[in-house]
Amino acid sequence: ELKVEQNPLFLSMQEGKNYTIYCNYSTTSDRLYWYRQDPGKSLESLFVLLSNGAVKQEGRLMASLDTKARLSTLHITAAVHDLSATYFCAVFMDSNYQLIWGAGTKLIIKP
Amino acid sequence: DSGVTQTPKHLITATGQRVTLRCSPRSGDLSVYWYQQSLDQGLQFLIQYYNGEERAKGNILERFSAQQFPDLHSELNLSSLELGDSALYFCASSAQGARVSGYTFGSGTRLTVV
Repeated sequence: ELKVEQNPLFLSMQEGKNYTIYCNYSTTSDRLYWYRQDPGKSLESLFVLLSNGAVKQEGRLMASLDTKARLSTLHITAAVHDLSATYFCAVFMDSNYQLIWGAGTKLIIKP
Repeated sequence: DSGVTQTPKHLITATGQRVTLRCSPRSGDLSVYWYQQSLDQGLQFLIQYYNGEERAKGNILERFSAQQFPDLHSELNLSSLELGDSALYFCASSAQGARVSGYTFGSGTRLTVV
């Protein structure tokens, strides 16, 4: 059974700092997805990582995938308050064409 | 607008009642997924349909049922509602190539059981 673990689950940080969210998964997959959710809102796709070594960047967020280590990271550079949200990673499971979700990381960025 | 339409956006109902949540997937998407998200919790997968057929079941209670119709819209029926059923219910859809693009989520239905 594929399991996806995110850490930390909760992160409070100051504006201007850098930090990384980690997403580990338990079985082989070469597809990983990051989503953002604002409180009470829907989930918005941030990044789709489709191969080993894939790196995607959007503004202050950068995501990478290491399929050998079964690890993806979401790096936040010089955080700003607007990035406060919950971030979910999900891994594609080929056996039933589903995404398996991490528990989410609630990120609070203080001015 | 993600292209996935969920109605209603908000629903308040009493315990013991039955409600129906509706989802229209993005144009061309054949798969529909239903999720439950309780306050400050993660996503609980309920059920998946593909082109009218049930494909996978998650932690869906027996009081809950769903279907996908020939026009690909889906409905989630929740009956004998309990206070603990209060949550955000999301529908997501995906194309055949979900491996490439992932899911697209609707805006959700917030259900409050009083």
